[in-house]
Amino acid sequence: GQQVMQIPQYQHVQEGEDFTTYCNSSTTLSNIQWYKQRPGGHPVFLIQLVKSGEVKKQKRLTFQFGEAKKNSSLHITATQTTDVGTYFCAGRFYGGATNKLIFGTGTLLAVQP
Amino acid sequence: EPEVTQTPSHQVTQMGQEVILRCVPISNHLYFYWYRQILGQKVEFLVSFYNNEISEKSEIFDDQFSVERPDGSNFTLKIRSTKLEDSAMYFCASSTGTGEQFFGPGTRLTVL
Repeated sequence: GQQVMQIPQYQHVQEGEDFTTYCNSSTTLSNIQWYKQRPGGHPVFLIQLVKSGEVKKQKRLTFQFGEAKKNSSLHITATQTTDVGTYFCAGRFYGGATNKLIFGTGTLLAVQP
Repeated sequence: EPEVTQTPSHQVTQMGQEVILRCVPISNHLYFYWYRQILGQKVEFLVSFYNNEISEKSEIFDDQFSVERPDGSNFTLKIRSTKLEDSAMYFCASSTGTGEQFFGPGTRLTVL
């Protein structure tokens, strides 16, 4: 079946340290999106990657899409306490009838001031 | 800024009862979705809806579930006979197309 896994499940960092979460799909993706969910909140869209090997940056966040379009990563430079939350990748698979997203298992980021 | 709204924020029900969760998607969006998230777990796709019909549904979305767009603004999820394992946060989302999905704040469903 269509599965998207993320590692690590949990990461605890000191403020100012870097953070990376990795996302792997069982099959090739049409595109991948990243969402952030604050504790008690709802998923909020961060970015979408479509092309093989694509790299996009948003301030301290860097997103990559693998050459085979089966994996992706999110890297945060110099974490801040406002970065706390769960980061989910969400993949769209080829052949789907709609825009359904298959969410990854998520990485919970804790940042200690 | 337009946003997706959901009501109620929390619903408590007895096992076997019917519940209806309500959503108002962003007005110019064409695609609507329901997802659920069991506490501490990942977000799971339930169903997508486009052009007044279901486009795709997951294995979770069995005969106990139904969706409806009763008018031009609301989008509802009905669970006919709730089970304990239906306890979760239910998120409605909408989009214009293949890009960003906008999620509502969610309805926490507790089945006793």
